[in-house]
Amino acid sequence: DQQVKQNSPSLSVQEGRISILNCDYTNSMFDYFLWYKKYPAEGPTFLISISSIKDKNEDGRFTVFLNKSAKHLSLHIVPSQPGDSAVYFCAASVITSGTYKYIFGTGTRLKVLA
Amino acid sequence: DSGVTQTPKHLITATGQRVTLRCSPRSGDLSVYWYQQSLDQGLQFLIQYYNGEERAKGNILERFSAQQFPDLHSELNLSSLELGDSALYFCASRGGGTYGYTFGSGTRLTVV
Repeated sequence: DQQVKQNSPSLSVQEGRISILNCDYTNSMFDYFLWYKKYPAEGPTFLISISSIKDKNEDGRFTVFLNKSAKHLSLHIVPSQPGDSAVYFCAASVITSGTYKYIFGTGTRLKVLA
Repeated sequence: DSGVTQTPKHLITATGQRVTLRCSPRSGDLSVYWYQQSLDQGLQFLIQYYNGEERAKGNILERFSAQQFPDLHSELNLSSLELGDSALYFCASRGGGTYGYTFGSGTRLTVV
């Protein structure tokens, strides 16, 4: 059962335009959401996060939106740059056995075209 | 350099064999998490250790085991390897009071 879903395996965007990456989840008990970026041959790196008590968090060119009623999370990158080309994973946190663990989506490969 | 060190970076082995993957967490981080990333798959949680004790288990096969040592480094042991075990294996650590993981660069395991 995939509790965190990224239904678009890939996305291509022109440089300078907006990139929107989407993520859906099923567990209403998730309390924290994160986005990670992964370049080839490297581990995922933390990008931005949002608590379930908020609906928006912004950090420079990156904004994460949370719609709890729809159980939907999105990452907006404006303006998109070629260096943003990577695989983006969304993740949601859940407490299991008294400790946090993260459940990751399958990732979306973003390609920003120059 | 994320501060999480994984060795080896690449590993090629035959079916039926056993391998050990090693992870050193960031200095001061007590939690270590192991994840598997197969082709076209997301990061599948395998197991978590906290200060030497197993804390949570995910989709970890019985052929796989892990441990965390007193110096906080962790090892993931994969035995009776099958072709389908070929994947990237990531280790991540997390410090107290922080939400985000810090990932290592992974070990690419190829079973032939």
